[in-house]
Amino acid sequence: QQQVKQSPQSLIVQKGGISIINCAYENTAFDYFPWYQQFPGKGPALLIAIRPDVSEKKEGRFTISFNKSAKQFSLHIMDSQPGDSATYFCAASSSNDYKLSFGAGTTVTVRA
Amino acid sequence: DTAVSQTPKYLVTQMGNDKSIKCEQNLGHDTMYWYKQDSKKFLKIMFSYNNKELIINETVPNRFSPKSPDKAHLNLHINSLELGDSAVYFCASSQGTGRYNGYTFGSGTRLTVV
Repeated sequence: QQQVKQSPQSLIVQKGGISIINCAYENTAFDYFPWYQQFPGKGPALLIAIRPDVSEKKEGRFTISFNKSAKQFSLHIMDSQPGDSATYFCAASSSNDYKLSFGAGTTVTVRA
Repeated sequence: DTAVSQTPKYLVTQMGNDKSIKCEQNLGHDTMYWYKQDSKKFLKIMFSYNNKELIINETVPNRFSPKSPDKAHLNLHINSLELGDSAVYFCASSQGTGRYNGYTFGSGTRLTVV
């Protein structure tokens, strides 16, 4: 069963708009939450990651918001660009765990 | 210089055949993984090796057998291929659990069983 639930499955946003992808988890042992970006024909690549001791992390136009009590975290893509069109995966793992559990992925399409 | 390289990139084969996928990383990482990505893009871990030792072996048919001859290589052999094995297989590597610098994925091997 999926340990990390991700929504929406896909979204379309206009250039300059904000893309928001949400993830939820049940396992309270999870303490590391990365996001991966995958372009067609390529492998996923680490985009940004957060640990539960902070509620928000920002890198350029990408921001992770984390709500520990709700066991939810989300990725915001500000000022979305056509080059951001890709599939985004949230993931989670617990300390000393070599297994990264991925969400089902969200395909983002940015229209020019 | 490709960090994680997989060969072949495409593999088309008939049901019942045996095939292998090779993976090599030049990052000096000590942990390597095989992930399967199905047609709906869901990524599922299959195996993980740390310093050549098998540490994760998910519920995968016995027809799948990984081999790690050294820290830089992780191969995947599949016996008696079935239609349901068609997917994209990704090799990845990390230093330790990958919680500091993440996983580095290869570009994938698209396996099609006909």
